[in-house]
Amino acid sequence: ETGVTQSPTHLIKTRGQQVTLRCSSQSGHNTVSWYQQALGQGPQFIFQYYREEENGRGNFPPRFSGLQFPNYSSELNVNALELDDSALYLCASSFASGREWGGELFFGEGSRLTVL
Amino acid sequence: AQKVTQAQTEISVVEKEDVTLDCVYETRDTTYYLFWYKQPPSGELVFLIRRNSFDEQNEISGRYSWNFQKSTSSFNFTITASQVVDSAVYFCALSGASGTYKYIFGTGTRLKVLA
Repeated sequence: ETGVTQSPTHLIKTRGQQVTLRCSSQSGHNTVSWYQQALGQGPQFIFQYYREEENGRGNFPPRFSGLQFPNYSSELNVNALELDDSALYLCASSFASGREWGGELFFGEGSRLTVL
Repeated sequence: AQKVTQAQTEISVVEKEDVTLDCVYETRDTTYYLFWYKQPPSGELVFLIRRNSFDEQNEISGRYSWNFQKSTSSFNFTITASQVVDSAVYFCALSGASGTYKYIFGTGTRLKVLA
């Protein structure tokens, strides 16, 4: 196990609703990234938080937002849910020095979101 | 633009057979990193290996081995004497020197090892 925990593990929402997913980083890690994995696809980068600030974003609309807290845990918020938002949402943590970004990511087991 | 291609969608082998999973990547970065991850049914991505663009030395770890060739932009993964526990989806990923942990993943190869 990686020490990265996510909650909830499964949830069902209806179109138009809002959802918050939570992630607890591995101890000692200061960076959190979120990925969306649609069924049968590879994970896609949503955004990354480093020292409580967003410092990288993929091709996702503004209704995808997040937070990183002083204890380096994180939240992913999605507003105005659409059917295509149904996916496995993966949180990953790592330690970044700010100079080198090539380290491995440690992933949680994900939150599976179904939008009806 | 960066891209990772895993052309093999699904592979089935019989236990104890060797199997190679292919990965081809595209990037304009001179410094980049390549990874392999394993995703069992539980969903968690399990780190297997990391390679930087300046290290083309092949690596062996137990039954696993990796062949990195910059000339063909490939980073292939071989499992020797496969076991049922190797059944999973395997992802190849690429990360550039972007100041983020933005990984570009391939679409994955589902490996089924039959007893």
